[in-house]
Amino acid sequence: SAVISQKPSRDICQRGTSLTIQCQVDSQVTMMFWYRQQPGQSLTLIATANQGSEATYESGFVIDKFPISRPNLTFSTLTVSNMSPEDSSIYLCSVEGSRSGEQFFGPGTRLTVL
Amino acid sequence: SQKIEQNSEALNIQEGKTATLTCNYTNYSPAYLQWYRQDPGRGPVFLLLIRENEKEKRKERLKVTFDTTLKQSLFHITASQPADSATYLCAPKAAGNKLTFGGGTRVLVKP
Repeated sequence: SAVISQKPSRDICQRGTSLTIQCQVDSQVTMMFWYRQQPGQSLTLIATANQGSEATYESGFVIDKFPISRPNLTFSTLTVSNMSPEDSSIYLCSVEGSRSGEQFFGPGTRLTVL
Repeated sequence: SQKIEQNSEALNIQEGKTATLTCNYTNYSPAYLQWYRQDPGRGPVFLLLIRENEKEKRKERLKVTFDTTLKQSLFHITASQPADSATYLCAPKAAGNKLTFGGGTRVLVKP
C-alpha cells in the first residue's frame, strides 16, 4: 500500500487568488492522479501526472486553470488558479498500487472560495 | 457516453442485516471493477477488486459479484455493523483507461 499526505488539509481563499496543493507519497510511483470532489458529488479526474512529462488533462480541465508539477517520483503539486466559488471542492491526490490496479488516496484538501 | 449508476438514495439498514448495493454501467467493457469506501472528510479507501472473468469475490464480511452480461456489480455487506456506515463507490475500469467512479451510495447501519 502507499501512504499519501496532502497539504494543506483545508483552506479558505478569496476569489481571484491561487492555491497550490502538495501531495507527498511514501514510495516512488510512476503516475499520480488529481481528482476533484464537489459537494455531494463523486470523484472527477482532473489530470494524470507523470514524472518528467506534462500532465494529461481530462475533458473540461485545462493547464492554465490547474497547472500541475511533478518534479520527482514521490511528489506533485496542483495549483487552482484564479479561483471562483465554483472551485470550492475537495481535491484529492491518488496513486496506483503496484499489484493490481487499486488506487490509494490522500486525505484530501478541502477548499472554500469566498 | 460511458455511464456508471449507483443508487443515490441512502440505504438504511438494521444492524446484523445484509446491505446490498448495486452498480450498473453502460457503454463500458471494464476489465475489472473496484469498490471503495469513503467516510466524510476522507479520501476513498480501496476494498475489493473483481475481474471480468470472476463471478464473485469475498473479503471478510464483504462480497462482490460481477455480471458482464447484465453490466452490473452487486456489493454485499453481511452482518452489518454501525461502523460500516459510509459511502460506497464503485469504479469500473477498462484496460488502459482511467478509473472512473460512480456517484456512490450512502449506507447507514442503525444499532
